[in-house]
Amino acid sequence: AQSVSQHNHHVILSEAASLELGCNYSYGGTVNLFWYVQYPGQHLQLLLKYFSGDPLVKGIKGFEAEFIKSKFSFNLRKPSVQWSDTAEYFCAVTSTGGGNKLTFGTGTQLKVEL
Amino acid sequence: EPEVTQTPSHQVTQMGQEVILRCVPISNHLYFYWYRQILGQKVEFLVSFYNNEISEKSEIFDDQFSVERPDGSNFTLKIRSTKLEDSAMYFCASSPGPGGNYGYTFGSGTRLTVV
Repeated sequence: AQSVSQHNHHVILSEAASLELGCNYSYGGTVNLFWYVQYPGQHLQLLLKYFSGDPLVKGIKGFEAEFIKSKFSFNLRKPSVQWSDTAEYFCAVTSTGGGNKLTFGTGTQLKVEL
Repeated sequence: EPEVTQTPSHQVTQMGQEVILRCVPISNHLYFYWYRQILGQKVEFLVSFYNNEISEKSEIFDDQFSVERPDGSNFTLKIRSTKLEDSAMYFCASSPGPGGNYGYTFGSGTRLTVV
């Protein structure tokens, strides 16, 4: 069965700091990978997704993620965070053997301080 | 931008009562899903629905749960006899094709509190 692990549960950064959130998945077949963000009181919004092709994926709001197949990783990055990036970030995966369902990681709560 | 709409945003119910959570998926989407998130835990898949039938369900989705698309626009999740452990945020999602190929659009969620 597919699973996703996010290493950091809580991250606190100052504005303008660089961000990297770790995500590893376990599944040996073909995967589609997603990062979602949930701002306080709002719905899950898609930041970016990887289906195939260039392993460096650029998403909205200056976020990017790199798919490293050999490491089963899909880490999220942003060179300079803003206070408005304070939110919870979820990595998720679907797989060819996992049907249509998304398997989520536990989430990382990011707080950006002024 | 099209949205998935969920109502109510918050529902409080007594243990043993039936609840119906409502969702209006994006109009041209064909695949529909329910997920839930118990406070402090990860978002978990409950069920997927396509072509008027359940296409996949998790072990959480037992006989107490049912889904329906009663009128071509709404997609509902019914919990027949709620338990305290059903307290969670319930998210509806939809996708135009298989979600793994197209991605998913989520609603804002319904926070269900069972007392």
